[in-house]
Amino acid sequence: DQQVKQNSPSLSVQEGRISILNCDYTNSMFDYFLWYKKYPAEGPTFLISISSIKDKNEDGRFTVFLNKSAKHLSLHIVPSQPGDSAVYFCAASPETSGSRLTFGEGTQLTVNP
Amino acid sequence: DADVTQTPRNRITKTGKRIMLECSQTKGHDRMYWYRQDPGLGLRLIYYSFDVKDINKGEISDGYSVSRQAQAKFSLSLESAIPNQTALYFCATSDSLGQGKGYGYTFGSGTRLTVV
Repeated sequence: DQQVKQNSPSLSVQEGRISILNCDYTNSMFDYFLWYKKYPAEGPTFLISISSIKDKNEDGRFTVFLNKSAKHLSLHIVPSQPGDSAVYFCAASPETSGSRLTFGEGTQLTVNP
Repeated sequence: DADVTQTPRNRITKTGKRIMLECSQTKGHDRMYWYRQDPGLGLRLIYYSFDVKDINKGEISDGYSVSRQAQAKFSLSLESAIPNQTALYFCATSDSLGQGKGYGYTFGSGTRLTVV
């Protein structure tokens, strides 16, 4: 039972354009949603998060949108840069789990110069 | 030094062997986790610990055991390794991101384990 799903294994965009990474979830008890970025041979690093009481959170070039009715969130990167090329994981947790995260499968983003 | 250090970085072992993956952290966090990453499956939780006396199974704990030797150390053991335990293993710690923001993780660089 995959509670967090990233249906696109890969995404390719041109430098300077917008990258949109999508994530769907099934558990309506999730309270927090997070995005992590992973480069090869490194561990994932925290990128941005959003609480279920919000529908948007912005941090520089990165914006996360949450649509609770659709159980869908997305990460927008504007403008995309070649250094953004990485695997992006969506993750979620309910308040009651303490801090356990459920991760999606990941999406490989490639930003072409 | 890295905040979360995993050893070894790479390991090849034979089916049936016992192997231990080690993790140490300098973040001072109480909460520690072991995840494995498989292609197309993302990161799946094996075990987690919220303090030295607290050990909990994750979603895929069968075939694994853990030991929390100290706040800073959390090791993962495969008692009798099998080929489908070939994966990339990550240790992580977590801390609050702030009121109403959930928890953020700090991951180690991973251990690539191959069971032949």
